[in-house]
Amino acid sequence: GAGVSQTPSNKVTEKGKYVELRCDPISGHTALYWYRQSLGQGPEFLIYFQGTGAADDSGLPNDRFFAVRPEGSVSTLKIQRTERGDSAVYLCASSAGTANEQFFGPGTRLTVL
Amino acid sequence: SQQGEEDPQALSIQEGENATMNCSYKTSINNLQWYRQNSGRGLVHLILIRSNEREKHSGRLRVTLDTSKKSSSLLITASRAADTASYFCATDDTGGFKTIFGAGTRLFVKA
Repeated sequence: GAGVSQTPSNKVTEKGKYVELRCDPISGHTALYWYRQSLGQGPEFLIYFQGTGAADDSGLPNDRFFAVRPEGSVSTLKIQRTERGDSAVYLCASSAGTANEQFFGPGTRLTVL
Repeated sequence: SQQGEEDPQALSIQEGENATMNCSYKTSINNLQWYRQNSGRGLVHLILIRSNEREKHSGRLRVTLDTSKKSSSLLITASRAADTASYFCATDDTGGFKTIFGAGTRLFVKA
């Protein structure tokens, strides 16, 4: 079956612009996670959804970052007024529930010029 | 800050040798997982061990968990060049839903 997909695979934007990153989880997975990963580092937790609600958004670095999952499947991570420090690979993962293995997408590489 | 810390940061071995990576964490956990990542994208789940388990095997992988020392180890036996990757431990703490990854061990297996 289809795995987790993320679009776009690469996104180059200018400082100050708005970007949206999309995640399509595995069908039926209720849990969805967003992470970001900088070169040489492990994934950094951003937000966790259980169904449509954000059960834990404590990893979002500031109020420029926001994520939604309106129908409990596809999720969009939104970044306003992008900064060069936002450049990273943004990873999405889904699982059948908490305390289960997570299936990761290939990531979106965001570059802010 | 990340909870998991892997040791060593980098490891280079010959094909056929065993590779051992260690992970330490700071708070109480529900479970600990190990993931592999090739080329900076797409993590692949290797194994999950729950807090009430002490050892788990999957093929050439053996994971141990010592909750009293807040540490885990991943052993890859009879390594292959294809095992070259970064390996991360990840913990789910008992207080919430976060999954916290360490900085990873970069394993290089020479053919």
